[in-house]
Amino acid sequence: DIQMTQSPSSLSASVGDRVTITCRASQTITSYLNWYQQKPGKAPKVLIYAASSLQGGVPSRFSGSGSGTDFTLTISSLQPEDFATYYCQQSYSTSYTFGQGTKLEIK
Amino acid sequence: QVQLQESGPGLVKPSETLSLTCSVSGYSISSGYYWGWIRQPPGKGLEWIGFIYHSGSTYYNPSLKSRVTISVDTSKNQFSLKLRSVTAADTAVYYCARDVDYGSGRYVGYWGQGTLVTVSS
Repeated sequence: DIQMTQSPSSLSASVGDRVTITCRASQTITSYLNWYQQKPGKAPKVLIYAASSLQGGVPSRFSGSGSGTDFTLTISSLQPEDFATYYCQQSYSTSYTFGQGTKLEIK
Repeated sequence: QVQLQESGPGLVKPSETLSLTCSVSGYSISSGYYWGWIRQPPGKGLEWIGFIYHSGSTYYNPSLKSRVTISVDTSKNQFSLKLRSVTAADTAVYYCARDVDYGSGRYVGYWGQGTLVTVSS
């Protein structure tokens, strides 16, 4: 199994802050890395796919980077609606795995 | 627009089999893509359970493989999950989902609303 490790597990930030979340894979996954946002009581939705491609309709303040084993999700200027939990997920293997999640809270 | 809807019992007894069905509208399962299940224990993260390809090929989480069966019924445009010998650790919100193929890779692009299944006597 490919293990995905996110850091931090939780993060407190203010509106307007720049935030970075990191995801590390236990082996190379090239660019087969997706990022999801989940709000309470809702299904996740994809923000970034293929490590750095922005899903249609997602604000440009979201960006992704990385390849191989190390990846980042950056939110350039936090908005109130961005407070949620974020997950990375690898699709390199047919056995998908998710990171444990990063809960982004209001400071 | 592809829509998915889970259905099934919300309460299952320990050692019994959890059975869920996902009804699909807006797309024919037999036309392609991977269809599968992801779960989320209360207050915890996401766990991929497995996928079935429209042709019938299946891919399961190794940690659940011995207890899981995913099947498809193209005549009803539905697919199903069976998880055997459940324990309290299987209590979770279960999502059915479909992937999106962007050419060189995939992501989970369509999700059901999720259904909570509690394992308790």
